[in-house]
Amino acid sequence: NAGVTQTPKFQVLKTGQSMTLQCAQDMNHNSMYWYRQDPGMGLRLIYYSASEGTTDKGEVPNGYNVSRLNKREFSLRLESAAPSQTSVYFCASSDLAGESYEQYFGPGTRLTVT
Amino acid sequence: QKEVEQDPGPLSVPEGAIVSLNCTYSNSAFQYFMWYRQYSRKGPELLMYTYSSGNKEDGRFTAQVDKSSKYISLFIRDSQPSDSATYLCAILTFSGGYNKLIFGAGTRLAVHP
Repeated sequence: NAGVTQTPKFQVLKTGQSMTLQCAQDMNHNSMYWYRQDPGMGLRLIYYSASEGTTDKGEVPNGYNVSRLNKREFSLRLESAAPSQTSVYFCASSDLAGESYEQYFGPGTRLTVT
Repeated sequence: QKEVEQDPGPLSVPEGAIVSLNCTYSNSAFQYFMWYRQYSRKGPELLMYTYSSGNKEDGRFTAQVDKSSKYISLFIRDSQPSDSATYLCAILTFSGGYNKLIFGAGTRLAVHP
């Protein structure tokens, strides 16, 4: 049981390049999330998916797109990377089941845009 | 005004000290209060959560909520070097069948031997 996995772990992009961050979970959770973490800012929600086939914007969606490929996988795409998107990106998953309100996080992707 | 405010620190204490970590929040309707711990270069992990007001204890950790002042606290007794991490408070909200977290900035804690 791997939990939440993310690829790649590290990435360096030039301004204007595009890339997709991959996330997968093996806990059969319905909900999945993408966050970014910047120094002094905590984690901010970029996009979320309440269930397979649905996605919604979070607090900071500009410059990103997402795809909920199936129940397990939720990808985040940067179409034209900007230095302001330099950050650590975390994927998370959760389910509303009894007393379990936990979101489970992946190990993160460290992205630098030069 | 941010929905959740947390002093980012850093906080440095000697081993064995009692640590107090705090957050304030703005919406009196919030009911679920979470504490996540994040080790360096790792994802956050849920440490504990409380519902509504009161205390919850788990070993050396105590989470406390004061809804009258919109203040949440995490106390660590007999702190250990292994407690060195960033501690993030978060509010759990529910909407449309899923849960959503609103995070504070996180407080970096260093416990030195």
